[in-house]
Amino acid sequence: SQQGEEDPQALSIQEGENATMNCSYKTSINNLQWYRQNSGRGLVHLILIRSNEREKHSGRLRVTLDTSKKSSSLLITASRAADTASYFCATASKAAGNKLTFGGGTRVLVKP
Amino acid sequence: DTEVTQTPKHLVMGMTNKKSLKCEQHMGHRAMYWYKQKAKKPPELMFVYSYEKLSINESVPSRFSPECPNSSLLNLHLHALQPEDSALYLCASSQEGYGTANTGELFFGEGSRLTVL
Repeated sequence: SQQGEEDPQALSIQEGENATMNCSYKTSINNLQWYRQNSGRGLVHLILIRSNEREKHSGRLRVTLDTSKKSSSLLITASRAADTASYFCATASKAAGNKLTFGGGTRVLVKP
Repeated sequence: DTEVTQTPKHLVMGMTNKKSLKCEQHMGHRAMYWYKQKAKKPPELMFVYSYEKLSINESVPSRFSPECPNSSLLNLHLHALQPEDSALYLCASSQEGYGTANTGELFFGEGSRLTVL
């Protein structure tokens, strides 16, 4: 079963707008990671946030983590057509032997 | 070199064929993974090798047989597959051995697209 559930499942925005997607999980985690996947390609790691961190930034990406609510969000600012991809959260929990388990993903379409 | 290389990129096989998928990394990573991904679904873990030993088998049918000949190579041997096994097979590696307290970033290959006729 999936540890992470993502919301929304799909998102369509105009270039220049911000895109926000959320990930909820069920058990305590060691860290939470976000990955991007272009259609039919491999996954690319974006950001890792540890359980004792609340926010991380990387370029136009901002990730927050609320362990009390067991949720995380990924914000992409000033989106570009090249940001069109599927975005997955993945959690590593001690209960799962630190196995990295992926959420269902959010498909993002950025229209030029 | 921060790449994970998978071959072949595409594979079409019949249900009676025997074929292999190959994965290679030269980053000195200690854990290597096989994931299976169906269309519009997340990757599902199949196998994990840590320090060249099989650490995880997620109850994968025996028609899939993993092999780790050395620390840089990971194979997935395929035999008597079913059409429902058609999927994108992704290999990944991570710096630390599996099961450490801080499962870090996974580096993924581009995948092998498998079609079983």
